[in-house]
Amino acid sequence: EPEVTQTPSHQVTQMGQEVILRCVPISNHLYFYWYRQILGQKVEFLVSFYNNEISEKSEIFDDQFSVERPDGSNFTLKIRSTKLEDSAMYFCASSGDRYSNQPQHFGDGTRLSIL
Amino acid sequence: AQKVTQAQTEISVVEKEDVTLDCVYETRDTTYYLFWYKQPPSGELVFLIRRNSFDEQNEISGRYSWNFQKSTSSFNFTITASQVVDSAVYFCALSEYDYGGSQGNLIFGKGTKLSVKP
Repeated sequence: EPEVTQTPSHQVTQMGQEVILRCVPISNHLYFYWYRQILGQKVEFLVSFYNNEISEKSEIFDDQFSVERPDGSNFTLKIRSTKLEDSAMYFCASSGDRYSNQPQHFGDGTRLSIL
Repeated sequence: AQKVTQAQTEISVVEKEDVTLDCVYETRDTTYYLFWYKQPPSGELVFLIRRNSFDEQNEISGRYSWNFQKSTSSFNFTITASQVVDSAVYFCALSEYDYGGSQGNLIFGKGTKLSVKP
């Protein structure tokens, strides 16, 4: 079964550094999402992306965050200047075409640790 | 505003017991989706079920069953004859339902940690 792939599985970064989290969504999916889960807490929506632009973003997704689909397969989340509170598990998700309305399928997550 | 409440923070049962995880939601949308996801100790999110607001039929999948009651805004999840492998955090979630396109972003509850002891 096709799956969403995220790399790396664990990223350790010094505070203030830039980090890029990578995702390869399911190949025929058109909608892409990033979510965040601080340790022991609930999963929170960050941003959704469709047709090469952000369709919705939460209050968490401030100017330090950006998303990009640099080619036909990758979907990235960049944090420009990381803070301690950015330490969390970051999940990428994708869902299908406009008419099939498939549920979102999640990758295994990237654990981001800011030192 | 949309909100999902999972009042049970942690539940502990002994193997073979039945267990029900509660989920209550709030939304002003007349059409919406409800979900359950499982997060095992390894951390990934595993999709279990999606229901749309039109379909109040209960669903059964093996040992899993779901009870959707629109009148009480609840979408409860029951595991019958629980097993140690069911130990995980279970999240209920809600999203808008857009006839013209995909579902909206997911609003998650805080999760219920289920521990099944042998």
